Amino acid sequence: DTGVSQDPRHKITKRGQNVTFRCDPISEHNRLYWYRQTLGQGPEFLTYFQNEAQLEKSRLLSDRFSAERPKGSFSTLEIQRTEQGDSAMYLCASSVPGQGDYGYTFGSGTRLTVV
Amino acid sequence: AQKITQTQPGMFVQEKEAVTLDCTYDTSDQSYGLFWYKQPSSGEMIFLIYQGSYDEQNATEGRYSLNFQKARKSANLVISASQLGDSAMYFCAAPLSGGYNKLIFGAGTRLAVHP
Repeated sequence: DTGVSQDPRHKITKRGQNVTFRCDPISEHNRLYWYRQTLGQGPEFLTYFQNEAQLEKSRLLSDRFSAERPKGSFSTLEIQRTEQGDSAMYLCASSVPGQGDYGYTFGSGTRLTVV
Repeated sequence: AQKITQTQPGMFVQEKEAVTLDCTYDTSDQSYGLFWYKQPSSGEMIFLIYQGSYDEQNATEGRYSLNFQKARKSANLVISASQLGDSAMYFCAAPLSGGYNKLIFGAGTRLAVHP
């Protein structure tokens, strides 16, 4: 596997339900990032992990959102009590320190639709 | 960078012609980098090219080149010999703070390549 994998690709949920997304980074990448992209906008940073430690969270990450990376490998992003405003593309990316010059490697994203 | 501005919501170009996508940035950092990403309809963000603020030469990667004008705080992407597969959203991005932990993106430019 040479890329960042995200699952599912699409998710439709009813307002008020909980959803969980998974991201599998490139295996040797110890940094993992979550971004949210709403329609017509660029991605916005949500949170980032170095190994299993969550080092930074954006103010966009309300208390309904939680992200984990329990063993420093895959990560999950959970949204509780979803709202229509949560409808967006959720992108995961990974990188290795010192390779910032070459950017992150992004996954294909999970598109969430809250109805 | 604190803000990335892409003023062209949409552009079109004839196949085999060159096109320039504009990006201006606002930063008080002395050292920074600028990235361009391509996002096809599949959703994945694909890294294209990087420019460091202290790089003396404009970055080039195959058909992609950067017209970097530091005094004007602009980093325009030039795509030469456009191909139909270049049709996509293009985003300019830069580190939000001094490190490469998180990126701030512009709103993007949708490029359509016509045969």
